[in-house]
Amino acid sequence: AQKVTQAQTEISVVEKEDVTLDCVYETRDTTYYLFWYKQPPSGELVFLIRRNSFDEQNEISGRYSWNFQKSTSSFNFTITASQVVDSAVYFCALSEDSGGGADGLTFGKGTHLIIQP
Amino acid sequence: DGGITQSPKYLFRKEGQNVTLSCEQNLNHDAMYWYRQDPGQGLRLIYYSQIVNDFQKGDIAEGYSVSREKKESFPLTVTSAQKNPTAFYLCASSTSREEDQPQHFGDGTRLSIL
Repeated sequence: AQKVTQAQTEISVVEKEDVTLDCVYETRDTTYYLFWYKQPPSGELVFLIRRNSFDEQNEISGRYSWNFQKSTSSFNFTITASQVVDSAVYFCALSEDSGGGADGLTFGKGTHLIIQP
Repeated sequence: DGGITQSPKYLFRKEGQNVTLSCEQNLNHDAMYWYRQDPGQGLRLIYYSQIVNDFQKGDIAEGYSVSREKKESFPLTVTSAQKNPTAFYLCASSTSREEDQPQHFGDGTRLSIL
């Protein structure tokens, strides 16, 4: 069965510091998809990025970057020069290619990121 | 604007009562999902539907029921059999039935027991 582990329950940093959120996953499938979502205090989940298991290229989007390493089953998320608006709960999620269509996402428990001014 | 609308935002249930949470999307998405979120926990899948008139149980379906009579609507009923219903409920949809598509989420419904 698939599993996603976000070991960091809460991280607190001062604004402008860099911060990395860890995500480790378990799956038996060779084809799978990884996602990161942001949940601000208002509650809705905002999609940030998707990565498939065949694409190990790192990705950068502004101050955000993602490091996908199949060898360690990790998909870590780094925020550079953090800002107060980055404060939120961040979820890593996994979707397997079961052959029967989208069965829903398996989520980690989330990391609560607090950016102090 | 296109999106997912969940209502109500807050809902209170009395003991022994069934309540229904609404989820409507105007994104023309095929697949829809219901998740439950408890404090300090990730989201757990309750039910999902890949096509109209068809749905499957997720990891924690006991005490819940759904219907999918229209493509844009996927209501969730929390029955009296659900002994611990207090939680934040999120509805999501995706553009296809394939696993690689990101899910888009509504703003959620917070359910509490009176």
